[in-house]
Amino acid sequence: DAKTTQPPSMDCAEGRAANLPCNHSTISGNEYVYWYRQIHSQGPQYIIHGLKNNETNEMASLIITEDRKSSTLILPHATLRDTAVYYCIVRVGGGGYQKVTFGIGTKLQVIP
Amino acid sequence: GAGVSQSPSNKVTEKGKDVELRCDPISGHTALYWYRQSLGQGLEFLIYFQGNSAPDKSGLPSDRFSAERTGGSVSTLTIQRTQQEDSAVYLCASSFRQGANYGYTFGSGTRLTVV
Repeated sequence: DAKTTQPPSMDCAEGRAANLPCNHSTISGNEYVYWYRQIHSQGPQYIIHGLKNNETNEMASLIITEDRKSSTLILPHATLRDTAVYYCIVRVGGGGYQKVTFGIGTKLQVIP
Repeated sequence: GAGVSQSPSNKVTEKGKDVELRCDPISGHTALYWYRQSLGQGLEFLIYFQGNSAPDKSGLPSDRFSAERTGGSVSTLTIQRTQQEDSAVYLCASSFRQGANYGYTFGSGTRLTVV
């Protein structure tokens, strides 16, 4: 079973910020939060990951709550090309092995 | 190579036939994963390889499914006596064992259709 829960779908107006939530209340101290997205007919693509500090890269920002039980992926200016399924997973970092289950993710629809 | 390569990209097979799906991971990635994605579903873990360690096969749905990884690089997923419920996209991913700063890199998948 997936260790994360996400809303099944969300809409966002083009040009606005898309805020995608994820709950991971059973996250362990050595587990990172990773986000991927899957555009139709393609393999999932890595977006960003973090442990406890907020992270930002050229694609998105990741906000992790202080208790680490939830996080939010922020796409600051959503475009139509951001329409995809977004997956939030938790896994150990630093080379440790862990069987990871991806849930059904959040289907983000960016509306013109 | 620059990315994870999977072949074939599409495969249509008759029920009862065997199929082989291939995955070429990124050079230097020691960890390799196979996932299955049925229509409208999330990614279902199948099997994991890490270096010379015994693979984690706990996700394989039946004994008709098997996988091997030769020389710590290329992997082949074999499905024997295919059934219609095996129809799905089969995704391969690889990662560095140490310092997983970039998580998994996925291939584009093989779309298997059993008719």
